[in-house]
Amino acid sequence: EVKLVESGGGLVQPGGSLRLSCATSGFSFTDYYMSWVRQPPGKALEWLGFIRNKVNGYTTEYNVSVKGRFTISRDNSQSILYLQMNTLRAEDSATYYCAREQGSNAMDYWGQGTSVTVSS
Amino acid sequence: DIQMTQSPASQSASLGESVTITCLASQTIGTWLAWYQQKPGKSPQLLIYAATTLADGVPSRFSGSGFGTKFSFKISSLQAEDFVSYYCQQLYSTPWTFGGGTKLEIK
Repeated sequence: EVKLVESGGGLVQPGGSLRLSCATSGFSFTDYYMSWVRQPPGKALEWLGFIRNKVNGYTTEYNVSVKGRFTISRDNSQSILYLQMNTLRAEDSATYYCAREQGSNAMDYWGQGTSVTVSS
Repeated sequence: DIQMTQSPASQSASLGESVTITCLASQTIGTWLAWYQQKPGKSPQLLIYAATTLADGVPSRFSGSGFGTKFSFKISSLQAEDFVSYYCQQLYSTPWTFGGGTKLEIK
C-alpha cells in the first residue's frame, strides 16, 4: 500500500524557517518524481515544485513564487521527501501536501497534509 | 505560465442529476490534464488523468473529455458523496497549474 505522511508543520514567525518531511512507503521511491503542493485556507491548490527521479538525476524545478526561498530534497535511503522553507511570509500560511507524480500524467497519491501558519 | 480557468466556481444540483465542469487552458496542453476531487479537510484524490482516463477504483459515473485548450469533467447521476470540490490541473509544462476549483452543493 502506497503511503505518504507529512510532518513538520506548525506556527512560525515571519522571516523564520521550517522543514517539512514526507515519509513514504509502499513503492520504489527512487523511481518517482515527487512534488509539493500547498493550499491556503479556503483557496485553490498551488504547485510548489518537484524533484525528479533517479533516471533524471534527482534535479528540481520550482514555481517562481517560491524559487530561492524553498528547497526540495530527498533522502532516497529512507524514502523521505523534504521541503525546506526559508524567509517565510504570512502568505505562505497553508496546508502543505506532498504527492507522487505518475509519469507527469497526474499526482496519483497524496499525503494527508501538514499545516503551516506564519504569524507573529 | 499556463492559466487554467475553471467554471463554474460553484454549482447547485440535485441527487441523480448530471453536472459538467469546464476547464480552459490559456494555451494548448494536448491531453496533459488531470481532475481531482477534494473532500473537506482531506487531501485531493486523483479521478482522471490524460484528460479522459479514469484512475483506478474511480466509479464510471465520472468522465472527462477534451483536447488542446478546452476540457470537460462530467458526473452522471450525482451521489451524496459527490457534493465536494473538484480541481483541474495541467501537466503540459511547468509550473504545473490548477484551476480555481468548483464546489458542488446539494440543491
